[in-house]
Amino acid sequence: GENVEQHPSTLSVQEGDSAVIKCTYSDSASNYFPWYKQELGKGPQLIIDIRSNVGEKKDQRIAVTLNKTAKHFSLHITETQPEDSAVYFCAGAGGTSYGKLTFGQGTILTVHP
Amino acid sequence: DSGVTQTPKHLITATGQRVTLRCSPRSGDLSVYWYQQSLDQGLQFLIQYYNGEERAKGNILERFSAQQFPDLHSELNLSSLELGDSALYFCASSVLAGHTDTQYFGPGTRLTVL
Repeated sequence: GENVEQHPSTLSVQEGDSAVIKCTYSDSASNYFPWYKQELGKGPQLIIDIRSNVGEKKDQRIAVTLNKTAKHFSLHITETQPEDSAVYFCAGAGGTSYGKLTFGQGTILTVHP
Repeated sequence: DSGVTQTPKHLITATGQRVTLRCSPRSGDLSVYWYQQSLDQGLQFLIQYYNGEERAKGNILERFSAQQFPDLHSELNLSSLELGDSALYFCASSVLAGHTDTQYFGPGTRLTVL
């Protein structure tokens, strides 16, 4: 089955800096890669996703890049703000797994004012 | 607010007991997914239903079962509870059952087994 590895496990940045979180996946049939943000006491919230027919997608300060050959994808947050502090999860899905999302281990992002 | 509702928010029970977690998907969504989140295992897929039928299964224990009703709400039943079942249980929903369908998560049910 699919295996998704996420790095780093913790990330601390100053307000205004950029943050990058990287994930690798194992199943070459995977073709859908969402990113979720989880705040304390809440459920995961989708922030951006990418499908394998594109290499990059942007939404304001957030961007995701996908390299299918290398089987890795990354989340980029620019001009970070304290409210970006949360746990971020990458996930992969596709092939015969139907709707099953396989999640990475999570990254605790802390943005210092 | 994702539009997915889950009840109850918190559940405290004893080992050996049985509990039922309830999920209402977003209006119009036909698929419901259940995930378990624990510190040691992370977010793990349990099971998916689409329009009342089981569609995919993850590493769901035999003590756990789920169903989706004609009104599309779903229930996750956990029986013979053990201390290790303490976790957050999330429900998610999507319009269809395809693997590229966006899944929207509910606020979760925190289960504590004493």
